[in-house]
This record gives sequence, C-alpha cells and structure tokens, in this order.
Amino acid sequence: GDSVTQMEGPVTLSEEAFLTINCTYTATGYPSLFWYVQYPGEGLQLLLKATKADDKGSNKGFEATYRKETTSFHLEKGSVQVSDSAVYFCALSDQNRGSTLGRLYFGRGTQLTVWP
Amino acid sequence: EPEVTQTPSHQVTQMGQEVILRCVPISNHLYFYWYRQILGQKVEFLVSFYNNEISEKSEIFDDQFSVERPDGSNFTLKIRSTKLEDSAMYFCASSAQQPAEQYFGPGTRLTVT
Repeated sequence: GDSVTQMEGPVTLSEEAFLTINCTYTATGYPSLFWYVQYPGEGLQLLLKATKADDKGSNKGFEATYRKETTSFHLEKGSVQVSDSAVYFCALSDQNRGSTLGRLYFGRGTQLTVWP
Repeated sequence: EPEVTQTPSHQVTQMGQEVILRCVPISNHLYFYWYRQILGQKVEFLVSFYNNEISEKSEIFDDQFSVERPDGSNFTLKIRSTKLEDSAMYFCASSAQQPAEQYFGPGTRLTVT
C-alpha cells in the first residue's frame, strides 16, 4: 500500500546552516507529493508540492524535487532561520488508486529547531 | 485569510463517553476530511466527506465514529464510546476541489482517561 517514510528527528541546526530532511515513498500509482509544516499551536500548512516526476516544488527558500527513480522527495533549504523552527511532514496523495478525493498519507514528521 | 477552525482545542473525557469534535471549514470548500495523530505516530486519514456523504473511510473509522455536516457550516466528528486508544490530536481539513491543497485546522487534542 501507499506509505511515506520520513527522516526521524529532532533536527537541531544553527542559523544559516543547510537543511535536508529525507523523505521516501511507496505508491501503487502516480502520486502527488507534498511537504506540510506545523508551527507551534497552529494547523498543518502546505509548504510546497510536486505533482509529477522531476517537478521541483519551492516556497520560502525551501525546495524538494520529485525523484521517481529513487522514490524520494527530500526537503532542502540553503540557509535556515530561527523562524523555520517547526515540525515538517512529508505526504503523498495517490489519485490513481481510485481514491479520487485526495486522501493524504503522511510521514511521522520531523521536528526542526534552529538556534540563533 | 480564510482558515479552518476547530473547537475545542483540548477535550478531556472518560472512557465510554461520547465526544463531538467540531470544525468550521473554509466557507466555499466542498471536500472535508478528518485525520488524527496519536502521540509519536503518523498523521492518519480517518474519513473524507463530499456532497453530504462519506466518500472514503479508513480501517480506523469503525462504527464508533460518525461524521455530519449539520448546518452547512460545521463539520463534526462524533466518537460514540471513547476508548483510551482514541487519545490523539484530531485534525480537520477542507479543500475547494480535487486535486487541490487541503487546508488544515489547528487540531483538537482529545485525552481519554
């Protein structure tokens, strides 16, 4: 079945460090891939998405490339800020399974803490 | 900016009691979802709802669970007889169309004692 495996946290970085959070997936069809972010006390917010192989999603300095050959969608940012401290979730939606309403499959989430 | 709201933010209940978790989706959205996250585990899909009926439900969503859109604005999740293992953060989400971004609420933390 469909699933997402995400790098376990927590991740602690200094400001301006490079960030990678690994995400790999298993899907029976042709999934869309997402990164969601959850700031303290708030709901999950879509950070970026990619809907087909080789697409690159980007937002707020974060990027992730949909790699079908390695079934991966790793999140990267070149220079993190204190304000990036949050929990990051990788997710997929597999439209071609017949679940046409976009059920999301999530990873466990990775807690990122950035120190000044 | 429109947002999904959920009430209460935290609910404590005794085992065997009924609880209703409430959500107000974004007003022009048509697709509604409930997810939950048990502490330390993945966010899991529970149910999707469209056109006043359940479209898909997971194996978690058994007869103890039900959903309703009673008045065109609220979207509720009812757990008929809570168990200890129902303790989790419950997230409501909505979207305008499919496929499309799902907008999530801040969650309700349910604690069953």
